[in-house]
Amino acid sequence: IVLTQTPLSSPVTLGQPASISCRSSHSLVHSDGNTYLSWLQQRPGQPPRLLIYQISNRFSGVPDRFSGSGAGTDFTLKISRVEPEDVGVYYCMQTTELPWTFGQGTKVEIE
Amino acid sequence: QVLLQQSGPGLLKPSQTLSLTCAISGDSVSTNRAAWIWIRQSPSRGLEWLGRTYYGSKWYNDYAVSVKSRITITSDTSKNQFSLHLNSVTPEDTAVYYCARLFWNKKGPDYWGQGTLVTVSS
Repeated sequence: IVLTQTPLSSPVTLGQPASISCRSSHSLVHSDGNTYLSWLQQRPGQPPRLLIYQISNRFSGVPDRFSGSGAGTDFTLKISRVEPEDVGVYYCMQTTELPWTFGQGTKVEIE
Repeated sequence: QVLLQQSGPGLLKPSQTLSLTCAISGDSVSTNRAAWIWIRQSPSRGLEWLGRTYYGSKWYNDYAVSVKSRITITSDTSKNQFSLHLNSVTPEDTAVYYCARLFWNKKGPDYWGQGTLVTVSS
């Protein structure tokens, strides 16, 4: 399964929203009825960090300015108001079907 | 709190075997609630899932096709850790390697090791 993210780079103004799209080459609906699409954040020099799992569930400690949505093959990560600590690269990841795969990443930077 | 601590050499010569270990605290490698996975990251390949191991009445392993002939993931319950072994490395295996946990009820990688830069060079 190929995951394609757009845009690849997103310059944003502090306090403004940001949106990242992830499109899958195949439906990510598992045979159990769930959709296993996650969003990860990677700050410079750090390992990736789980933000969102199963499309829209925020992981523990993730601020509520992060939200996920979508279904089937089209998914979106939104940051309602970008903060300085949100700078980094964001990846979508699917764990519906082996091999698990990642999008190519979207770099969020402050204008 | 789950902590994953990686260890292993950072410099290898072509044809050698890459071996990295991920020591787990705050969970058990033999839990039936999670899988333990290896991922690598390089500028040319991005994030790449390499394989997983998990216990569910017996041990299961799955590997990426790209490395299937060269990879083995093992687990050591006495030390509560799991390991990655990748043989016959080439410069293309140069990457940052991460271990991570994937909790089955989330199916997102929720805890990560710190990463190990492995360079393959003669």
